[in-house]
Amino acid sequence: DIQMTQSPSTLSASVGDRVTITCRASQSISDWLAWYQQKPGKAPKLLIYKASRLERGVPSRFSGSGAGIEFTLTISSLQPDDFATYYCQQYSSYPYGFGQGTELEIK
Amino acid sequence: EVQLLESGGGLAQPGGSLRLSCAASGFTFNSYVMNWVRQAPGKGLEWVSGVSASGGTSYYADSVKGRFTISRHNSQNTVYLQMNSLRDDDTAVYFCARDGLAASGSDYWGQGTLVTVSS
Repeated sequence: DIQMTQSPSTLSASVGDRVTITCRASQSISDWLAWYQQKPGKAPKLLIYKASRLERGVPSRFSGSGAGIEFTLTISSLQPDDFATYYCQQYSSYPYGFGQGTELEIK
Repeated sequence: EVQLLESGGGLAQPGGSLRLSCAASGFTFNSYVMNWVRQAPGKGLEWVSGVSASGGTSYYADSVKGRFTISRHNSQNTVYLQMNSLRDDDTAVYFCARDGLAASGSDYWGQGTLVTVSS
């Protein structure tokens, strides 16, 4: 099974900051990677798919990059609504796997 | 409007069974892969199971293989998760999620249903 490792687990930042979250796969997944945002008590929301494609309706301050085993999610200028938990997920092969999550908190 | 509505959660005893349902609307259900994803209290997301658009192929996480069965009834726009031999660590919110057609990951999610396994 493919293991997904996210870092950091927690990230403290301020409104307006640029932040980057990293996700590493235990083997190559090409670009079959998605990023989700989750707020407490809510379902996850798809932000990025195929590593770098922005889901419809997602603000352009979100971007994704990477291929193979290393991927990043970048938020170019943090907004108050962005403080949440972020997960990567590989969908290259079953069983699909999620990273352990990155909690983005207000500094 | 795409909607996914889970039901069937509740309290079960260890070793017991529950069946979750996810009723879909607003899209051509029989064209989409469907998944179940769970989240234990205070923990991260765990993919549980997926089923092909036709229902002919299913996939499972190692943690539930042999205990859970995913199925779908395309004429009723519903996907199910039959959970047997429940354990304490199956306690979680269970989400139903649709895989997008453009290899886009899970683009729509239900609101989740809570399963609590406890004696």
